Amino acid sequence: AQSVTQPDIHITVSEGASLELRCNYSYGATPYLFWYVQSPGQGLQLLLKYFSGDTLVQGIKGFEAEFKRSQSSFNLRKPSVHWSDAAEYFCAGTGGFKTIFGAGTRLFVKA
Amino acid sequence: GAVVSQHPSRVICKSGTSVKIECRSLDFQATTMFWYRQFPKQSLMLMATSNEGSKATYEQGVEKDKFLINHASLTLSTLTVTSAHPEDSSFYICSAPSGTGLYEQYFGPGTRLTVT
Repeated sequence: AQSVTQPDIHITVSEGASLELRCNYSYGATPYLFWYVQSPGQGLQLLLKYFSGDTLVQGIKGFEAEFKRSQSSFNLRKPSVHWSDAAEYFCAGTGGFKTIFGAGTRLFVKA
Repeated sequence: GAVVSQHPSRVICKSGTSVKIECRSLDFQATTMFWYRQFPKQSLMLMATSNEGSKATYEQGVEKDKFLINHASLTLSTLTVTSAHPEDSSFYICSAPSGTGLYEQYFGPGTRLTVT
């Protein structure tokens, strides 16, 4: 069955430190992959997406993600986290119609 | 960029009443819209696919008679929670595919439903 897995329920990083949020997918073929961010009580904002081509994808707010087919992963990274990055992050995938979301990773940023 | 709006943003209703949530695509047409439900600290679960001019497609386990979906125009889909109960309290989010295809979606800001 198709699935998107985010192994980490929550992560805490210090402000200014680097960040990596993990995402693994299980699809029959390479899906289209997305990372979204959600602030409390808000909708989802698209950070970046991968359809094909360059496996390192740049997004908004200084985020990037790397698609690794061999590991079925699409991890999100940021070199230096800001306090305003504290939020819920969702990895999502689609095989062409329905989108499947991971469980989400809550990011806490400590001063 | 494309914007999807939802109304209301928050609603409180009494148990047994019905409540309607609107989802609008503001500057593009959407023949398909998706409705998601999100419980606190959980992920989004697809409830149904709203199709303009035809019946909605519901995911397994979603009661179609309880969650009525109407896609009346190319810019409006509504979700009506009928005979609401406290367990229906949740965050409801709609989305619409971008014009480039069905792969990328634009999400509404969500509607917080509280049933007392």
